[in-house]
Amino acid sequence: GAVVSQHPSRVICKSGTSVKIECRSLDFQATTMFWYRQFPKQSLMLMATSNEGSKATYEQGVEKDKFLINHASLTLSTLTVTSAHPEDSSFYICSATRTKAGGNEQFFGPGTRLTVL
Amino acid sequence: RKEVEQDPGPFNVPEGATVAFNCTYSNSASQSFFWYRQDCRKEPKLLMSVYSSGNEDGRFTAQLNRASQYISLLIRDSKLSDSATYLCVVGGSQGNLIFGKGTKLSVKP
Repeated sequence: GAVVSQHPSRVICKSGTSVKIECRSLDFQATTMFWYRQFPKQSLMLMATSNEGSKATYEQGVEKDKFLINHASLTLSTLTVTSAHPEDSSFYICSATRTKAGGNEQFFGPGTRLTVL
Repeated sequence: RKEVEQDPGPFNVPEGATVAFNCTYSNSASQSFFWYRQDCRKEPKLLMSVYSSGNEDGRFTAQLNRASQYISLLIRDSKLSDSATYLCVVGGSQGNLIFGKGTKLSVKP
């Protein structure tokens, strides 16, 4: 199956620092990538839709100036958590959509666990 | 009402048991449905898609009732390795996925 990577897998940082997370589709091109967040014992929640070459679409309640998304190529989307605070500690997961006849498939990255001290 | 609601769980069952998970969704226009499995601290992995006619994959059977907006997953002959959280997932209008909170299954020897 298709492979999506995320880097880093785990981040521990001090409050106020910015953290950049990369999501790459390794063997296919993805015009659309999605960023999800999962707090402990909660469901995955969509944060934003990242479209190659255009601005990301953010879900209600997600601050676009705090969670910067860049989708500069068909294989890479980045999420930057600016001025991270302890309440931003969460499991961040990206997914990439592979277009194919009969319907699109979505593949998840392994996730990035962010801990803000 | 939440977009996707699942049994709260957890389900603790012995090996070999049959277990059923239920799920309801709120958007009647939804077109795609899935069950995902998520292991602790890992990303979700697709278990199976769910079709209107119902579908089976080995020990797993999924059913969809569009009229009731209800999805189910049946696991027969549970194995220890089936222990995980099972996520009911509905396709969103943007191509994204809408996840339920998940139901935790623990299969004991």
